[in-house]
Amino acid sequence: ETGVTQSPTHLIKTRGQQVTLRCSSQSGHNTVSWYQQALGQGPQFIFQYYREEENGRGNFPPRFSGLQFPNYSSELNVNALELDDSALYLCASSGRGRTSTEAFFGQGTRLTVV
Amino acid sequence: DAKTTQPPSMDCAEGRAANLPCNHSTISGNEYVYWYRQIHSQGPQYIIHGLKNNETNEMASLIITEDRKSSTLILPHATLRDTAVYYCIVNTDSWGKLQFGAGTQVVVTP
Repeated sequence: ETGVTQSPTHLIKTRGQQVTLRCSSQSGHNTVSWYQQALGQGPQFIFQYYREEENGRGNFPPRFSGLQFPNYSSELNVNALELDDSALYLCASSGRGRTSTEAFFGQGTRLTVV
Repeated sequence: DAKTTQPPSMDCAEGRAANLPCNHSTISGNEYVYWYRQIHSQGPQYIIHGLKNNETNEMASLIITEDRKSSTLILPHATLRDTAVYYCIVNTDSWGKLQFGAGTQVVVTP
């Protein structure tokens, strides 16, 4: 158990729809990162939020957007879903400090776009 | 693209040490070496990290060469539960912007 929870665990959407995925970070962690993992591949960094501001973004189009709330929980929103958006979406929370720390991942949300 | 190169797969006998290599020839002086693993259908799990000294914790040991261009993760006594994909990552950002490659699929057999 990492203390990072994601909801829902599974989701099926139709092409063109919009989806919102949620993540509760580990207590005391103020940084949340989102990843997309296609079948058979390693996770790909989407973006990161630190203290409610976006703090870095990977190579994903603007229809991927996010939010971080004052309690540091986060949402990932994807508009105009495409078939290739089918993947496992992972959330990771981490703390900040002088020394390097690890990221703690949730179990992920499996999104299927049909 | 990932900054590391790992073999795509390796097998290990239960109870034996598993030595997982990683090449990171373009590593910068301020980049750490991280290892994560991902057991099927779960999120990645942190194992260990280091800068230039060898590191050991309850899960594994990390050996980094003197020139820092490669490293080896050692699982001292592999168990069936160690079957997973192992990712070697070099990163300056310790706060979660991790660049994963394809990793090494490790299968531990009885």
